[in-house]
Amino acid sequence: ILNVEQSPQSLHVQEGDSTNFTCSFPSSNFYALHWYRWETAKSPEALFVMTLNGDEKKKGRISATLNTKEGYSYLYIKGSQPEDSATYLCAFKGNFNKFYFGSGTKLNVKP
Amino acid sequence: AAGVIQSPRHLIKEKRETATLKCYPIPRHDTVYWYQQGPGQDPQFLISFYEKMQSDKGSIPDRFSAQQFSDYHSELNMSSLELGDSALYFCASRSGTDSYEQYFGPGTRLTVT
Repeated sequence: ILNVEQSPQSLHVQEGDSTNFTCSFPSSNFYALHWYRWETAKSPEALFVMTLNGDEKKKGRISATLNTKEGYSYLYIKGSQPEDSATYLCAFKGNFNKFYFGSGTKLNVKP
Repeated sequence: AAGVIQSPRHLIKEKRETATLKCYPIPRHDTVYWYQQGPGQDPQFLISFYEKMQSDKGSIPDRFSAQQFSDYHSELNMSSLELGDSALYFCASRSGTDSYEQYFGPGTRLTVT
């Protein structure tokens, strides 16, 4: 069984706060790490695909970093807005055609 | 841009009935993944196909089977349905050569009564 862990499980912040959360994954047999934004009753929206140690990706106010040697990725949101409220999922892809999902971090941004 | 299409979007079945869910990948995508997400649960990988061949198998029950057809669409067949099969079923597609990204469909909500 391969463990992908995300922390915290949930996060409540005020509008304008910056926040970050963590995805931990096995450091062996690494192929790619995916971040998704998942709103209730919608399908996941791909945010980033990260493949190289030291990768940093940015999309608007959201950015992510990757450390494959120690097996973690951080997702940062700068100046959170209410529309950022969603569950943020990471998924680890090893050397097989299978994805292992974390349980997600539920972000709630209060106006 | 074309997205992943799933049909039906909602399905209600009774226990012990069968159900077929369909997934139409993005054009030129050759890889399809199926996921099951039960109420309040993490998505679980069920099965994947690459170039019409099964490429990997996850926690798919023996009562379920799936295949990918020559036009790359995939069907998930579920027999002897149980109450616990009620879930959202997502499929995702990917181009095996162009991109690491998976693109998810809108999901099929299956309710077994």
